[in-house]
Amino acid sequence: EDQVTQSPEALRLQEGESSSLNCSYTVSGLRGLFWYRQDPGKGPEFLFTLYSAGEEKEKERLKATLTKKESFLHITAPKPEDSATYLCAPRDGSTDKLIFGTGTRLQVFP
Amino acid sequence: NAGVTQTPKFRVLKTGQSMTLLCAQDMNHEYMYWYRQDPGMGLRLIHYSVGEGTTAKGEVPDGYNVSRLKKQNFLLGLESAAPSQTSVYFCASKRQGSNYNEQFFGPGTRLTVL
Repeated sequence: EDQVTQSPEALRLQEGESSSLNCSYTVSGLRGLFWYRQDPGKGPEFLFTLYSAGEEKEKERLKATLTKKESFLHITAPKPEDSATYLCAPRDGSTDKLIFGTGTRLQVFP
Repeated sequence: NAGVTQTPKFRVLKTGQSMTLLCAQDMNHEYMYWYRQDPGMGLRLIHYSVGEGTTAKGEVPDGYNVSRLKKQNFLLGLESAAPSQTSVYFCASKRQGSNYNEQFFGPGTRLTVL
């Protein structure tokens, strides 16, 4: 059975304090792992797709990495505008469906 | 481009009432999806469509029906609303093809069933 676990559930950081978010998954025949950002009251916004172990992608202060069982979203020197919920969603290769985690709610304080 | 739009943004229903949520996309995407998002749970797929005139069940289809009469629109219907259907509903769309894998989401509809 497909499973996705994101940790921590919530994270409070001081501006400039770097950290990492974790996404552990068990998915049949992974065909990509997706990261989304969701602001309160809005729909998820696409950030990255990773396809193979060892792959990394960067966007501003965010870097996503992938292993065979986990993905990490590293946030370097975060700013208050990085505050949001970050969702990870591996895609099950047998069903072609995204399996969403419950997200990590990040708050960055000035 | 407006992207993916959803109407209405908010709705309150009484148990047993019916309603239709509308999703529209202007990106000429073939695939469209309906999800629900509840506290403490990940987004769950209700129904999806891989093209005009076709629909399929997702993970939690019971109590919902859908139609895709036009490529740009995907309708989600609740025939007899129940309190368990109180949720935030998101529509998403995606281009067909293995090079286009990300789904683009609408702003959501917050539904409360009393």
